[in-house]
Parts: sequence; structure tokens; C-alpha cells
Amino acid sequence: GNSVTQMEGPVTLSEEAFLTINCTYTATGYPSLFWYVQYPGEGLQLLLKATKADDKGSNKGFEATYRKETTSFHLEKGSVQVSDSAVYFCALRETSYDKVIFGPGTSLSVIP
Amino acid sequence: GAVVSQHPSRVICKSGTSVKIECRSLDFQATTMFWYRQFPKQSLMLMATSNEGSKATYEQGVEKDKFLINHASLTLSTLTVTSAHPEDSSFYICSARGGGGGYGYTFGSGTRLTVV
Repeated sequence: GNSVTQMEGPVTLSEEAFLTINCTYTATGYPSLFWYVQYPGEGLQLLLKATKADDKGSNKGFEATYRKETTSFHLEKGSVQVSDSAVYFCALRETSYDKVIFGPGTSLSVIP
Repeated sequence: GAVVSQHPSRVICKSGTSVKIECRSLDFQATTMFWYRQFPKQSLMLMATSNEGSKATYEQGVEKDKFLINHASLTLSTLTVTSAHPEDSSFYICSARGGGGGYGYTFGSGTRLTVV
């Protein structure tokens, strides 16, 4: 079945460091891909999305490119801030079904 | 932008009682809503898909008689945890599709349920 795999955390970075969180997926067809962020004690917020191959989603300095050849959607940010500390979820929406499948989440802590 | 209001944000109840969680789309009509459960430091597990005016579709392994879902209007879906037990303690999150259509899924802020 369809699934999403993310790099295991927790990830701890110093402020202004470069961030990469790897995400790969398994899916039939052409899913849409998402990154969601969850701040402590809160629900999920959509961070960015890409709907077809080679699309690049971007928001708040974060970027991810839909790579069909490697079935990946890695999240990157050039310079993280303390306020970026949260849990990040990679997710896909199946093309045939109205369902969003989440990866296990990666916890990020940014220290001053 | 699209907003989904989930209430309550936190609830503590005694074993054996029932708890109702509400999920409202505030500025759009949501024909489909989703209910997720999140265990500590784990990902979200889809429990059920709720369609307005029809019965919910439950994922495998989810007890439909325990987790009652009602989607009586285009802006409101409710999840009732019946005869709650401590193992039902979890973070429950709803999501609504709509408010822009296409790939827009808006999440509620979640409900922390603690059963004592």
C-alpha cells in the first residue's frame, strides 16, 4: 500500500544552520505531496505542497521539490530559527482516494 | 483563509463516560471531514472519513461502536468516544476538505483527551 517514510529524529540544530529532512514515499499513480508542521500542543498546519513531478513547494523559507524519479520530497531550509522548532510531517494524498497518509514525523529542535 | 475550529481543546473524563468532540468549518462548507488519532510522539492515524449526510467510513481496526461519528451538516462533524477507558487517552485531530477545494485540507487544533 501507499506509505511515507521520513528520517528519524529528533534533529537538533543550532540557529542559522541548514536543515534537511528526508522524505520518501511509495504510491501508485501520481499523489500530491505535503509537508505539515505541528507546534507543541497544537494541531497541524500546512507548510507547503506540490501536486506534480518537479513542482517545488515553498513557504516561510522552507522548500521541497517533488522528485518522481527518486520518489522523494525532502524538506530544506537554508537558515533555521528557534521558532522553527516543531514536528514536521511529510504526507501524501492518494490520487484515487480522498485520504492523506502521514509519515511518522520528525522532531526538530533549534537551539540559540 | 479556511479555519476549522475544534472543541474542546482539552478534556478529562472518568472511565465509563462518553466524550463528544466537535469539529466546525467556520468559513466554508466541508462535505468531507477526517478524524485522526495521534499517540505521543507518533504520527497521525486516520480513524474515519466523515461525509455529510451519510455514514462514516472507518479504517480497519477502528471500533465504529466506540467512536461514533456524526456529520449532520456541512459545517459540523462530531466524534463521540463512548464508554471511554484510559487506553483511549490520546490527541484527536479533525481535518476538513474544502475552503478552496482541490488539495486543501485544513486541520483543527486538536483535542487532548485524558481518561482517568
